[in-house]
Amino acid sequence: DAGVTQSPTHLIKTRGQQVTLRCSPISGHKSVSWYQQVLGQGPQFIFQYYEKEERGRGNFPDRFSARQFPNYSSELNVNALLLGDSALYLCASSLDRGSGNTIYFGEGSWLTVV
Amino acid sequence: GQNIDQPTEMTATEGAIVQINCTYQTSGFNGLFWYQQHAGEAPTFLSYNVLDGLEEKGRFSSFLSRSKGYSYLLLKELQMKDSASYLCAVRADNAGNMLTFGGGTRLMVKP
Repeated sequence: DAGVTQSPTHLIKTRGQQVTLRCSPISGHKSVSWYQQVLGQGPQFIFQYYEKEERGRGNFPDRFSARQFPNYSSELNVNALLLGDSALYLCASSLDRGSGNTIYFGEGSWLTVV
Repeated sequence: GQNIDQPTEMTATEGAIVQINCTYQTSGFNGLFWYQQHAGEAPTFLSYNVLDGLEEKGRFSSFLSRSKGYSYLLLKELQMKDSASYLCAVRADNAGNMLTFGGGTRLMVKP
């Protein structure tokens, strides 16, 4: 079975541009979350989606937005890119929102803003 | 607020045992995760503790004490491939897959 898949794996953008990152959760998983990991730090929570609704949001500006589709895949959008947005963006999926569920991460999308 | 602390770096010898500690102070608790992350790669799930006690899985074990806000990851028979960052993460009450991570512990295994 495929794990969590993300695309693109690497991309370079210039300041002020917009970027869309994509995530497909593990088959059967309905909950998707997005994390930002800056080099040398632990991942920081951005969004959680379950059944196509936003269920949680981290401390990120409104330039960050996301959505979940009927097939449970998800997109993360970042507008007006800043140099500080350069990071590894991770997508995580779990079966649902229950406490007993293991959370799995995708390989991530490396974003470089120049 | 959420605060998770773990050592920044550790060094150990191949074949030895190493214990990586994690302390947490969070508003609510509904499980603690350990992930392994090799440089340039995504985190890989190692263990999940929600009740007090020790969970053993091959060379890796994880311990949790909820009353002390404390966990550790124990790695036995260290191998060179165990050189990686180890991330401790806490899930708050009813938080689904919203995790709060520590900064990670970079483990270097030497011959």
